[in-house]
Amino acid sequence: GNSVTQMEGPVTLSEEAFLTINCTYTATGYPSLFWYVQYPGEGLQLLLKATKADDKGSNKGFEATYRKETTSFHLEKGSVQVSDSAVYFCALSVYGGATNKLIFGTGTLLAVQP
Amino acid sequence: GAVVSQHPSWVICKSGTSVKIECRSLDFQATTMFWYRQFPKQSLMLMATSNEGSKATYEQGVEKDKFLINHASLTLSTLTVTSAHPEDSSFYICSARDKAGVANTGELFFGEGSRLTVL
Repeated sequence: GNSVTQMEGPVTLSEEAFLTINCTYTATGYPSLFWYVQYPGEGLQLLLKATKADDKGSNKGFEATYRKETTSFHLEKGSVQVSDSAVYFCALSVYGGATNKLIFGTGTLLAVQP
Repeated sequence: GAVVSQHPSWVICKSGTSVKIECRSLDFQATTMFWYRQFPKQSLMLMATSNEGSKATYEQGVEKDKFLINHASLTLSTLTVTSAHPEDSSFYICSARDKAGVANTGELFFGEGSRLTVL
């Protein structure tokens, strides 16, 4: 089946620290991969995406590379800010028949301290 | 960009009453909308898939008669929580897939969420 596993939080970092949030997936077929971010009190927003192997998605200083060989899509940022504090969701989407739903990981809370 | 709006953003109701939440795609047509429920420990649970002009497809364990979903047009889907009870209190989020544009990549656009509190 299709599933997403991401590291449990909370992840607590100081400002300007390096961030990695691990995400691995299991999928039948060729999934597209996404990172969504949810700021406090708000809905989800697409942060970045990658649609095929070796693609790198990037936005707002965040990056993630679609690694088919390790079935991973780890989120990284070189220098986090307090404003990056949010919940981050890794997700995949596989098309084919009825399997066109977006499947989420459980989310990772990031808390950045000044 | 694609915008999805939910209304109301928060609602408080008495136990036993019904509450309707609207989800609108403002600048695109959405043949498919999804309803999620977010629990306090962050996990996002897909409740149902709503297709315009047809019955919603519910995920296993979700009560169809409890959570009524209607997708009457390409820009509007509604979720009605019938006879709400305190355990229905949660954050409900809708999302929509653009009919024309990004369907091939699977990207969804999300509403801001609606927080339901049942007293």
